Amino acid sequence: GESVGLHLPTLSVQEGDNSIINCAYSNSASDYFIWYKQESGKGPQFIIDIRSNMDKRQGQRVTVLLNKTVKHLSLQIAATQPGDSAVYFCAENRGGATNKLIFGTGTLLAVQP
Amino acid sequence: DAGVIQSPRHEVTEMGQEVTLRCKPISGHNSLFWYRQTMMRGLELLIYFNNNVPIDDSGMPEDRFSAKMPNASFSTLKIQPSEPRDSAVYFCASSSGTANQPQHFGDGTRLSIL
Repeated sequence: GESVGLHLPTLSVQEGDNSIINCAYSNSASDYFIWYKQESGKGPQFIIDIRSNMDKRQGQRVTVLLNKTVKHLSLQIAATQPGDSAVYFCAENRGGATNKLIFGTGTLLAVQP
Repeated sequence: DAGVIQSPRHEVTEMGQEVTLRCKPISGHNSLFWYRQTMMRGLELLIYFNNNVPIDDSGMPEDRFSAKMPNASFSTLKIQPSEPRDSAVYFCASSSGTANQPQHFGDGTRLSIL
């Protein structure tokens, strides 16, 4: 029979366009957030992080925005390239002295040439 | 710089056999994490260590699973006896140990139990 797995949201964009991947979190005590990129056959790769005392952080071609009021996190990728095709995960640290992260289910980014 | 190193990359074995997965964290990192990833359940934290001491093993599915960290540069995850439902990709990650630091992942072990 057909197996039932997680339904990964998919974002399809044209090469050169900007991509925005969204993530909602539920715990208002979460104070640290990370975006990871996972390519097929590889482990999650750290992209960018942000602490709860910030609402925006920029890296190379990537920007993370944090809206604590609505518990929303987004990753913006400028000038999306075929090499950006991957599954993107957000992760949150729910506060305290621990480094334990809670991962979202992921979004598949498909870049069309 | 060497990242997190996991071995083996692939493991295929018959149910009932013992499976041992290995991990070498990034040098200087004192927190180590074991995850399991499946299509059904996504990425799940199994256990994590801080300074070689298990801190939270609430994600370990059952007594067939055990993990050790005998020193700062080596950890094992053992499944005995293995079952087909243990088939998954198992990841190890490490971080510097202080709060709010990113975890860095290895490329995983793809485990298939027949």
